Amino acid sequence: SQELEQSPQSLIVQEGKNLTINCTSSKTLYGLYWYKQKYGEGLIFLMMLQKGGEEKSHEKITAKLDEKKQQSSLHITASQPSHAGIYLCGAGHLSGTASKLTFGTGTRLQVTL
Amino acid sequence: EPEVTQTPSHQVTQMGQEVILRCVPISNHLYFYWYRQILGQKVEFLVSFYNNEISEKSEIFDDQFSVERPDGSNFTLKIRSTKLEDSAMYFCASSPKWGEDTQYFGPGTRLTVL
Repeated sequence: SQELEQSPQSLIVQEGKNLTINCTSSKTLYGLYWYKQKYGEGLIFLMMLQKGGEEKSHEKITAKLDEKKQQSSLHITASQPSHAGIYLCGAGHLSGTASKLTFGTGTRLQVTL
Repeated sequence: EPEVTQTPSHQVTQMGQEVILRCVPISNHLYFYWYRQILGQKVEFLVSFYNNEISEKSEIFDDQFSVERPDGSNFTLKIRSTKLEDSAMYFCASSPKWGEDTQYFGPGTRLTVL
């Protein structure tokens, strides 16, 4: 089965600083999804990457997928308190008539003033 | 913007009781999912559902679990006889099509089994 490892497990950054979260897969990724979860709440979709070398940005968040499609990074520029939460990477699996997601352990981000 | 909704937000039940968790997926979506997250652990896949049938289920999804789409809008997860270890956050998700399309998650139902 596919395992996703995220690093770091937790991160505390000062407001305005940049940060990077990594997600490494034990197998080649078909699709890699980034979600954000606030404590005790649902998962909010951020971005999806599928092609090797692909990079996507939304506001101050940039996600990349390496050429071998086994590692992804999420980079936040000039962090703000609103960026605080748990960031999850998920690997998409195609199976039967529907796909499913396998998630990493998550990275807890705190942004201090 | 359309979103997945779930009710109730929190359910407390006694061990051995039946619970039904309800979800209203995004209206034009065809694929539906249930995931769960035990406190402090990963989000885990339970089951996927398409065309009124289970498409895939995980090892967690044993005979105590069932899913149903009773009408054109609701998608339910039933646990027949709850156990303490069923205590978790349960998330419903939906996606418009098979493959690489994104799954959109609801806010979750926190199930507490006493």
